[in-house]
Amino acid sequence: AQSVTQLGSHVSVSEGALVLLRCNYSSSVPPYLFWYVQYPNQGLQLLLKYTSAATLVKGINGFEAEFKKSETSFHLTKPSAHMSDAAEYFCAVGGNNRLAFGKGNQVVVIP
Amino acid sequence: DAMVIQNPRYQVTQFGKPVTLSCSQTLNHNVMYWYQQKSSQAPKLLFHYYDKDFNNEADTPDNFQSRRPNTSFCFLDIRSPGLGDAAMYLCATSRDAGLGGYEQFFGPGTRLTVL
Repeated sequence: AQSVTQLGSHVSVSEGALVLLRCNYSSSVPPYLFWYVQYPNQGLQLLLKYTSAATLVKGINGFEAEFKKSETSFHLTKPSAHMSDAAEYFCAVGGNNRLAFGKGNQVVVIP
Repeated sequence: DAMVIQNPRYQVTQFGKPVTLSCSQTLNHNVMYWYQQKSSQAPKLLFHYYDKDFNNEADTPDNFQSRRPNTSFCFLDIRSPGLGDAAMYLCATSRDAGLGGYEQFFGPGTRLTVL
C-alpha cells in the first residue's frame, strides 16, 4: 500500500526565513505525489504535484518541491516565509483513485 | 470558474436526527469523494463514486450513506448522527486516473455540529 510520512506536526518559522516541510513516501510503483494547503475552515487547495515530468516542481505562492527517488522524498520548500503561509500542509500519494495523506504540518509564522 | 460547491457550509443537527450534506461540481469529473476531517487530523476517506459505481471504505460506519443521482451532484447522508460524527466533511472530485493523474479538487467543506 502507498503511504507518506510527515514528521513534526507543528513547524514554527520566522517571517522571511526558509520554510521546509518534509515528506517521505512509500510506493511500489512510480508515485503521483501532491502537496495541499488548508487554511482554517476551508477545503484543501493544491500547491503542487509530481507526475514524473520533472523532479523539481514549482507550485503556487512561491512553493516548490523536489522529487528524490533515491531518498523516497518529496520535501516542500519556500525561500522566504510570509505571514499568509500560516496554514496546515498535507503531503499525499495517489493511486487507485484515492489519495493517502500524511498527518499534516501546522505551520506557524512568527513575525 | 469551474469548482466544487458544498452546502451548507455550517450544519447543526441534534443527536440522532438524520442530516444530508450536498456537493455539486462544474468540473464534469467522473470521480467524487467524501472525506471526514476531525480537528488537527488528515482527511479520512469515507467513500467515493467512480461514475455510478459506489466504493465504500472498509472502516466507514453503516451510519454513513451516499447518493449520486447524476454526474454533478453527490450527497452524504448521516442516518443517526452521534457526538463523534461532529467534524468537517469535505467533498472532492477528480478525473479518471488514466487521464492525468490523481489530483483531487476539494470543496470548502461543511462543518457539522451535533448537539
